[in-house]
Amino acid sequence: GAVVSQHPSWVICKSGTSVKIECRSLDFQATTMFWYRQFPKQSLMLMATSNEGSKATYEQGVEKDKFLINHASLTLSTLTVTSAHPEDSSFYICSASALSAEQYFGPGTRLTVT
Amino acid sequence: EDQVTQSPEALRLQEGESSSLNCSYTVSGLRGLFWYRQDPGKGPEFLFTLYSAGEEKEKERLKATLTKKESFLHITAPKPEDSATYLCAVQAWGSSNTGKLIFGQGTTLQVKP
Repeated sequence: GAVVSQHPSWVICKSGTSVKIECRSLDFQATTMFWYRQFPKQSLMLMATSNEGSKATYEQGVEKDKFLINHASLTLSTLTVTSAHPEDSSFYICSASALSAEQYFGPGTRLTVT
Repeated sequence: EDQVTQSPEALRLQEGESSSLNCSYTVSGLRGLFWYRQDPGKGPEFLFTLYSAGEEKEKERLKATLTKKESFLHITAPKPEDSATYLCAVQAWGSSNTGKLIFGQGTTLQVKP
């Protein structure tokens, strides 16, 4: 149980374009979903927290107009990187939690902006 | 400020050589302490949740323990497939808290055959 999927697993896009990443909880209803980014050999950095049907809460320093988060249902959240630039290249990971404290992570999405 | 510090940063063991990873934390009110395993290029895999001092949990060759200031992840007779980065994270109580996790920097374990 507690499986979280992400799509796509990797994506290459051109500078200035937008890319959408999906995060799905497959076997449970996720009241809260989290989005992280991770640079090589570093730990996870929380970007934002989203609750189903509510606006996401962004961490300090994260541009909400650049990283659009939608949590339309209890099993789906999306992260859209708008007007992507090479510095946005990173490993993006989502996690989901139900009423318990545990967060279950997706497999991650590798974004490369050329 | 809530903070998590893991040590050592990297650890090399021979197969069968038992050892422990440390996670020291300061948090206003501990809701839970979590251990994850992360393989290169993948998302973290949930291992354990500990809620109160004195609690212990085991899974195969791994055993996690918790005190009021730190947690240990004990690895008994490790195998090469245990090689990974082990992440510790805490979750705090509080009205401003959204359930977010505060991660340590991780310990990268390499087990040589």
